[in-house]
Amino acid sequence: GQQLNQSPQSMFIQEGEDVSMNCTSSSIFNTWLWYKQDPGEGPVLLIALYKAGELTSNGRLTAQFGITRKDSFLNISASIPSDVGIYFCAGQLGYNQGGKLIFGQGTELSVKP
Amino acid sequence: KAGVTQTPRYLIKTRGQQVTLSCSPISGHRSVSWYQQTPGQGLQFLFEYFSETQRNKGNFPGRFSGRQFSNSRSEMNVSTLELGDSALYLCASSFNSVDYGYTFGSGTRLTVV
Repeated sequence: GQQLNQSPQSMFIQEGEDVSMNCTSSSIFNTWLWYKQDPGEGPVLLIALYKAGELTSNGRLTAQFGITRKDSFLNISASIPSDVGIYFCAGQLGYNQGGKLIFGQGTELSVKP
Repeated sequence: KAGVTQTPRYLIKTRGQQVTLSCSPISGHRSVSWYQQTPGQGLQFLFEYFSETQRNKGNFPGRFSGRQFSNSRSEMNVSTLELGDSALYLCASSFNSVDYGYTFGSGTRLTVV
């Protein structure tokens, strides 16, 4: 089936550092979404991207929908301890795919105070 | 504004039994999707319902089924439980699934013994 390759799998950084993670696919996606999941909870939507080339910010988070529609990245600036968690990218292949999101494997972020 | 509510939060069942999980979407949301999350396979799409009709289905055996009621609440059922069905089952809702990111519930943690 369709897969999203998310990297890196894990990151250990110092508080205040910037973070970058990305997702790539061999398929063209209609929508890219970035989620964060805390232990024992469901994923929380961080940023949604709907157009190729779109660059969107949400506070310290910035994400871009790749121009080829096959990739996306998420940047976190000036990381803080509460940024700890697992970040997932998710893509929607087409409008007829409705709620069928394809998820990356996740990037586990650890922030050292 | 209430979020997506899933009940129960935790469930322990015996192999061979069946189980029903419930999901109440955000008020006004008509699309409900279900996902299975395991450490090995990550987040896998089960199925999506929109206005009481199943619109998309993932690659899971027929033991996994679902339905949606006229008030958009949804249930999923797993029959003849297997040990490998132990997972976090997540429900997500959206207004129309095309232009809106999905909001996830906190999930139901199912353990099959």
